[in-house]
Amino acid sequence: DVKVTQSSRYLVKRTGEKVFLECVQDMDHENMFWYRQDPGLGLRLIYFSYDVKMKEKGDIPEGYSVSREKKERFSLILESASTNQTSMYLCASSQQYNEQFFGPGTRLTVL
Amino acid sequence: SQELEQSPQSLIVQEGKNLTINCTSSKTLYGLYWYKQKYGEGLIFLMMLQKGGEEKSHEKITAKLDEKKQQSSLHITASQPSHAGIYLCGADISGGYQKVTFGIGTKLQVIP
Repeated sequence: DVKVTQSSRYLVKRTGEKVFLECVQDMDHENMFWYRQDPGLGLRLIYFSYDVKMKEKGDIPEGYSVSREKKERFSLILESASTNQTSMYLCASSQQYNEQFFGPGTRLTVL
Repeated sequence: SQELEQSPQSLIVQEGKNLTINCTSSKTLYGLYWYKQKYGEGLIFLMMLQKGGEEKSHEKITAKLDEKKQQSSLHITASQPSHAGIYLCGADISGGYQKVTFGIGTKLQVIP
């Protein structure tokens, strides 16, 4: 079975903290994605990567950065967390032009 | 406005009833994906459609992509409480690196 795991299910951070969200997939997929999901706005793409050390901005990259040093791992970084980054964060991976497989999500609260 | 419009936004049906969820775009859908999400959890892949006129079924769920590849429907036959959740359509509308745009979702409740 394809497995995408995320480092935390729930996370509470304070404004201004640096936050790391980790995602690991075990299917040797080329593509990896970070989304955030908010009520009424749906899933929005933050960043994606189609290869190691490669990254592309999605629709809402402001306030975020990413790192992909190894094929199986894709990290999302909030350099200085703000309250408007309170959200559900979902990681996904895929083979080229195939369906994406999602992790269980991390619900981040920034106080 | 959303690039992918889903309708209805929410649906309450009685167990055993059929239902349809629609996903519409003004752009060509190069790949159309249907997912289901339980509240507070990740998305579970249901089906992928790529060709105009394509139809796929899995158990009691059938998805179709119209000939013009701008609209898809998801049909559930004889709904059960296990079908409850949020259904999302996603599509590659750029024809690029499989950058998928998602609809807001349709919340389905099935009343026993």
